[in-house]
Amino acid sequence: GIQVEQSPPDLILQEGANSTLRCNFSDSVNNLQWFHQNPWGQLINLFYIPSGTKQNGRLSATTVATERYSLLYISSSQTTDSGVYFCAVERYGRGSTLGRLYFGRGTQLTVWP
Amino acid sequence: SQTIHQWPATLVQPVGSPLSLECTVEGTSNPNLYWYRQAAGRGLQLLFYSVGIGQISSEVPQNLSASRPQDRQFILSSKKLLLSDSGFYLCASDRGLNTGELFFGEGSRLTVL
Repeated sequence: GIQVEQSPPDLILQEGANSTLRCNFSDSVNNLQWFHQNPWGQLINLFYIPSGTKQNGRLSATTVATERYSLLYISSSQTTDSGVYFCAVERYGRGSTLGRLYFGRGTQLTVWP
Repeated sequence: SQTIHQWPATLVQPVGSPLSLECTVEGTSNPNLYWYRQAAGRGLQLLFYSVGIGQISSEVPQNLSASRPQDRQFILSSKKLLLSDSGFYLCASDRGLNTGELFFGEGSRLTVL
């Protein structure tokens, strides 16, 4: 399977700070998603971004598929941004399961007031 | 919009007892459905996926089974739980368009004692 590495594993910020989370993957992929796992455990979709750049409010993401990485930017962080951020990728191909996501181990973000 | 419901949200069961976790999807037709498990340490593992009623594929050998009696219903079961079955179980669905973008339910937390 594809290896997905996220960095940093843990991040502690003061409210208002900016941050960049990174996701590296070991092979070419067809899809990439960023999720936020809230304190209750639910995975919330942030971005579906196999390539290019997208923005949603204070969050934006960029995927450079040819270089096998994606970045998640959080600006003006708030305490509600705390939680675990996951990157997950999918690769099509013979023997692959559609929708079979390979997850990184996540970045635990803690934002202090 | 698509909504995924899971229940029960929390379950504490003795070793050797049966298990039934249910997942239903609203707002889409003919979705591909998935059961993922998140063990301690944050990693998510795909357990089962289904491309249609009665069609189940297993990713890893285990003590669990899955069934899909209706288009938008997915059930995870066990006849006899093991301690190692403890974890956080997440049901996921795509949009029914085979795009690969996945959406997750609220999760079911299982503790086997």
